Amino acid sequence: GENVEQHPSTLSVQEGDSAVIKCTYSDSASNYFPWYKQELGKRPQLIIDIRSNVGEKKDQRIAVTLNKTAKHFSLHITETQPEDSAVYFCAASSEYGNKLVFGAGTILRVKS
Amino acid sequence: KAGVTQTPRYLIKTRGQQVTLSCSPISGHRSVSWYQQTPGQGLQFLFEYFSETQRNKGNFPGRFSGRQFSNSRSEMNVSTLELGDSALYLCASSETGGSGNEQFFGPGTRLTVL
Repeated sequence: GENVEQHPSTLSVQEGDSAVIKCTYSDSASNYFPWYKQELGKRPQLIIDIRSNVGEKKDQRIAVTLNKTAKHFSLHITETQPEDSAVYFCAASSEYGNKLVFGAGTILRVKS
Repeated sequence: KAGVTQTPRYLIKTRGQQVTLSCSPISGHRSVSWYQQTPGQGLQFLFEYFSETQRNKGNFPGRFSGRQFSNSRSEMNVSTLELGDSALYLCASSETGGSGNEQFFGPGTRLTVL
């Protein structure tokens, strides 16, 4: 079955710097790659997603890139702010339906 | 629209008991998925229901089961609880059944097994 690896497990950046989180997936049939942000004690919330027919997608300070050949995708956050501090999860969906396989998560700390 | 709701929010049970958790999806959403979140194993897929049918199943023992009603509300049941079942159980709903639909998560049910 699908396996998603996520790196790094923790990431500390200074406010205003950029943060990059990388994920690799194993199933070449995967076609949907969402990123979720989970603040302490809160539910995961979708921040951006990308489908396999697109190489890059941006939404203000957040961007995601996808390399289907290498089977990896990355989250880029520019001009980080303290409120970006949270756990970020990447995920992949490869089957008919809505089964998401998640990466282990990245704890992002933005220091002011 | 109201978001995904889950009841109860917190639950304490003892080993050997069984538990039923409930999830009400966003109005109009027909797909409900369940996930288990633990510090050690992260977010793991349990199963997905669409139009009252289980469509996908994760790698969990048969003690974990679920169902979906005609109004799309879903329940999951865990029988013969073990200490390792302590976790946050999250459900997520999406509009349709195709892959690549945004899933909206509920607040979760925190289950503690003593």
